[in-house]
Amino acid sequence: NAGVTQTPKFQVLKTGQSMTLQCAQDMNHNSMYWYRQDPGMGLRLIYYSASEGTTDKGEVPNGYNVSRLNKREFSLRLESAAPSQTSVYFCASRRRADTQYFGPGTRLTVL
Amino acid sequence: GENVEQHPSTLSVQEGDSAVIKCTYSDSASNYFPWYKQELGKRPQLIIDIRSNVGEKKDQRIAVTLNKTAKHFSLHITETQPEDSAVYFCAATVANAGGTSYGKLTFGQGTILTVHP
Repeated sequence: NAGVTQTPKFQVLKTGQSMTLQCAQDMNHNSMYWYRQDPGMGLRLIYYSASEGTTDKGEVPNGYNVSRLNKREFSLRLESAAPSQTSVYFCASRRRADTQYFGPGTRLTVL
Repeated sequence: GENVEQHPSTLSVQEGDSAVIKCTYSDSASNYFPWYKQELGKRPQLIIDIRSNVGEKKDQRIAVTLNKTAKHFSLHITETQPEDSAVYFCAATVANAGGTSYGKLTFGQGTILTVHP
């Protein structure tokens, strides 16, 4: 089992460019999440998907969109990147009522 | 929504000492409280968790205590070692028995723990 995987590991964008962060899990988990981590602010939930076919906003959804492609995959899209979106992005998945497992993260810089 | 406050933001101890990190939460409906350890450049990893039906849980040198009345919970690390140096995050969520909550974790701001040899 690879657990939760994310691509890419690093990315540099210019303001206004778009990109999609990919996340996949092989643990047959129903729920998946996208967080961003900024210094001194912990992890904040951007979007989540409780099950295949559903998505919902978290604490900081502005500027992002998501797609739950199938049970395994949950992608995060930045349509028009801004410097304020410079962050480390973590994907996570979860068993029912239990632990969340995190991916290795994507470090994004927007110039 | 839920708000989680974590203290201290930095903690420096000598090897062998104990370390205590405290968190408070605002939503009395929260009933699942995990603690994550994050080493530099790595992903957060669960080290221990507690549910609201128990007051304390131990796993070797790590323990967590929960006070539902005061709405706070704490991480205790005994006999600290240099490899315990990391950032520690507390979190809270409502996870009902039927598993139909969506596990939306609210995290504290993190504590940088440094253990000096």
